[in-house]
Amino acid sequence: GDSVTQMEGPVTLSEEAFLTINCTYTATGYPSLFWYVQYPGEGLQLLLKATKADDKGSNKGFEATYRKETTSFHLEKGSVQVSDSAVYFCALDSGGYQKVTFGTGTKLQVIP
Amino acid sequence: DGGITQSPKYLFRKEGQNVTLSCEQNLNHDAMYWYRQDPGQGLRLIYYSQIVNDFQKGDIAEGYSVSREKKESFPLTVTSAQKNPTAFYLCASSIGASGVYEQYFGPGTRLTVT
Repeated sequence: GDSVTQMEGPVTLSEEAFLTINCTYTATGYPSLFWYVQYPGEGLQLLLKATKADDKGSNKGFEATYRKETTSFHLEKGSVQVSDSAVYFCALDSGGYQKVTFGTGTKLQVIP
Repeated sequence: DGGITQSPKYLFRKEGQNVTLSCEQNLNHDAMYWYRQDPGQGLRLIYYSQIVNDFQKGDIAEGYSVSREKKESFPLTVTSAQKNPTAFYLCASSIGASGVYEQYFGPGTRLTVT
């Protein structure tokens, strides 16, 4: 079945540091890939998505590229802010029965 | 503003009682979902529905029940058969079934059973 593996957290960075959160996946066919963000006590929000190989999703300074050859969708940001502190979830959707597979989440803490 | 509402935000119940969590969306989405979130375990799918009057079990459906009588509503009942019901519950919806559409989430309900 489908699966998503994210790097273990928590990740602690100083403000303005470079961020990478690794995500790899296993899926049949050609899934769409997503990054969601969850702030404390809230639901998830879509951060960015990519629907085919080599697509780059981007939003709010975050980027991720759909790499079919390495089955990866790593999240990056050049300069993090304290307000980026949250839990980040990688997810894939293979279509069909509309079931989305989520990773376990990576907690990011940015310190001033 | 369009979105998903879940109520209440916090819910407390005694063991042995059934409890129903509300989820309403005004996005005109066909598909709706219920997830359970526990610390360190990510999101686990409880039930999903692609259309009114139809729903399917997810990965952890035991001890839960749902209904989908209206497009905009997808309530979840946590029954007394659920062995460990204390958790954060998230409702979500999406436009359709092609696989390219993101899910929109509600703010969640934190259920505590003592």
